[in-house]
Amino acid sequence: QVQLVQSGAEVKKPGSSVKVSCKTSVDAFSDYVISWVRQAPGQGLEWMGGIIPTFGTASYAQKFQGRVTITAVESTNTGYMEVTNLRSEDTAVYYCALGLQLQYWGQGTLVTVSS
Amino acid sequence: DIQMTQSPSSLSASVGDRVTITCQASQGISKYINWYQQKPGKVPKLLIYDASSLETGVPSRFSGSGSGTYFTLTISRLQPEDIATYYCQHYENLLYTFGQGTRLEIK
Repeated sequence: QVQLVQSGAEVKKPGSSVKVSCKTSVDAFSDYVISWVRQAPGQGLEWMGGIIPTFGTASYAQKFQGRVTITAVESTNTGYMEVTNLRSEDTAVYYCALGLQLQYWGQGTLVTVSS
Repeated sequence: DIQMTQSPSSLSASVGDRVTITCQASQGISKYINWYQQKPGKVPKLLIYDASSLETGVPSRFSGSGSGTYFTLTISRLQPEDIATYYCQHYENLLYTFGQGTRLEIK
């Protein structure tokens, strides 16, 4: 059974950064697409970006280019997503998802940006 | 960028009804569309992949169809546990786009 376990909730000040982790139990981690999706309160799903660890280069939605960095560490089967220069509008639940069709999802990490 | 437009944004139907949600792509996307269900307070769940393939474990009352720019998700006989928001999503070359979602309620 594939499990994705994300790091815990965060409260951040505007202008700061946050890094969320996603540890997976999957075999052949390096060959999977790892995506990050966020959901602001009461809003829809928004794909932020993704990476295939074996290729190493991440792809981003245009909206998040330059402010979001997605990485993966193959030795620990863990993906990471960092957002810099946080603003109140970044308050959301951040999900990691695994697979080309996003078959497996983490439990979500609430990031609250507030002064 | 390809845009995915879902309709309706919300709908109310009775148990046993046939329900159809549509998703229109701003340009042809072949079959690269998935459908997800998100129940209130829960993690999204993959229902249909590649336009019409049913994900393992998903009830057979769910089906998907379409190609090119027009796609549909159909629930053949609505059940109370189908209360959720449904999202279409296009993917290609490690770029993904979600539709804005359709909130489904029971009358």
